[in-house]
Amino acid sequence: QKEVEQDPGPLSVPEGAIVSLNCTYSNSAFQYFMWYRQYSRKGPELLMYTYSSGNKEDGRFTAQVDKSSKYISLFIRDSQPSDSATYLCAMSASDYKLSFGAGTTVTVRA
Amino acid sequence: DGGITQSPKYLFRKEGQNVTLSCEQNLNHDAMYWYRQDPGQGLRLIYYSQIVNDFQKGDIAEGYSVSREKKESFPLTVTSAQKNPTAFYLCASSISLLYEQYFGPGTRLTVT
Repeated sequence: QKEVEQDPGPLSVPEGAIVSLNCTYSNSAFQYFMWYRQYSRKGPELLMYTYSSGNKEDGRFTAQVDKSSKYISLFIRDSQPSDSATYLCAMSASDYKLSFGAGTTVTVRA
Repeated sequence: DGGITQSPKYLFRKEGQNVTLSCEQNLNHDAMYWYRQDPGQGLRLIYYSQIVNDFQKGDIAEGYSVSREKKESFPLTVTSAQKNPTAFYLCASSISLLYEQYFGPGTRLTVT
């Protein structure tokens, strides 16, 4: 079993829809949680960084962490075609080592 | 502009040849990392460096080597001992270990 599970999709939504992405994990020591956006043939770009449980909002993006369920989510409101990318979740315990999900590919249709 | 640069963007090599990938950052970050990305898999850590002249193996270090002679630079050499070197290689940096990591644009290496 992988330490971090992420549905690869692909996920296709119409412009303006809410995109819902999630990851599950098995290591209860994880306490730092990140979401990265990666366009095709580019490096990942950090979108959200959260510590422990709770919600964090930044513009159209909301990250949620539920440590009791070992489940994290990313919501994108009012999705745009420019949001079409692969979204990677990543997490770490109390050290440098990030564990990544395999990524979910999202297409927002105009 | 502050950031991380990787060169070249695309690299082609014959099997049996060593190849060095460049990574430079002007963010004044102490920590630097090398990852490998393969289709359908999460990023996997090859090597990381916390400070100059110090580096540690990650999860898949076999067949790779690095150096950290300058704070700004962390080159990765893919040796002929790496069994399956064709992949997308990503360099990252952070203020120090435990802080969020920022990635460069990547180098796509193809070995035939």
